[in-house]
Amino acid sequence: QKEVEQNSGPLSVPEGAIASLNCTYSDRGSQSFFWYRQYSGKSPELIMSIYSNGDKEDGRFTAQLNKASQYVSLLIRDSQPSDSATYLCAVLRGSTLGRLYFGRGTQLTVWP
Amino acid sequence: DADVTQTPRNRITKTGKRIMLECSQTKGHDRMYWYRQDPGLGLRLIYYSFDVKDINKGEISDGYSVSRQAQAKFSLSLESAIPNQTALYFCATSDGDGYGYTFGSGTRLTVV
Repeated sequence: QKEVEQNSGPLSVPEGAIASLNCTYSDRGSQSFFWYRQYSGKSPELIMSIYSNGDKEDGRFTAQLNKASQYVSLLIRDSQPSDSATYLCAVLRGSTLGRLYFGRGTQLTVWP
Repeated sequence: DADVTQTPRNRITKTGKRIMLECSQTKGHDRMYWYRQDPGLGLRLIYYSFDVKDINKGEISDGYSVSRQAQAKFSLSLESAIPNQTALYFCATSDGDGYGYTFGSGTRLTVV
């Protein structure tokens, strides 16, 4: 079982819709969780971090964490074509501090 | 100037050649990382360093070596390049657990 798993997609949503991206992780002691956005050929950019159970909102983005289910998600409201990118989930495992484990990413396309 | 600078941006080299990829940062972070990214495989950790005297192997260190010349500089070397080392390479820095990474712009390496 991979440390961090994401649906590879691609996920396609119309402009204005809510995009939902999901991530599960294997280490129950994981402490910190991050979402990165990566445009094609570019470097990953940190867009959200979450550390405790519940929701965290930042503009159109909401990160949700459920440690009991070992599940973290990213919701993008009012999706725009400029949101089209690959979204990477990253986890700081409790057993190996100091480095992040990345999922393989979910490719999102928002069509006008 | 970028916070994390990678050079070169693109490089084509021949099988068997030694090549060095360089990374420098102005963020003052102690932690630095080298990842490679391949289509469908996501980001894989090659080496990481918590300070000048602390170097650690990641999951795919075979065929690579690193040098931490200063807090701000972390270089990755391919001793004898082979075609399956063709990939997009990213350097990243971190201020510690829970802060996420800042990535450089990447080096696209092709080994022919």
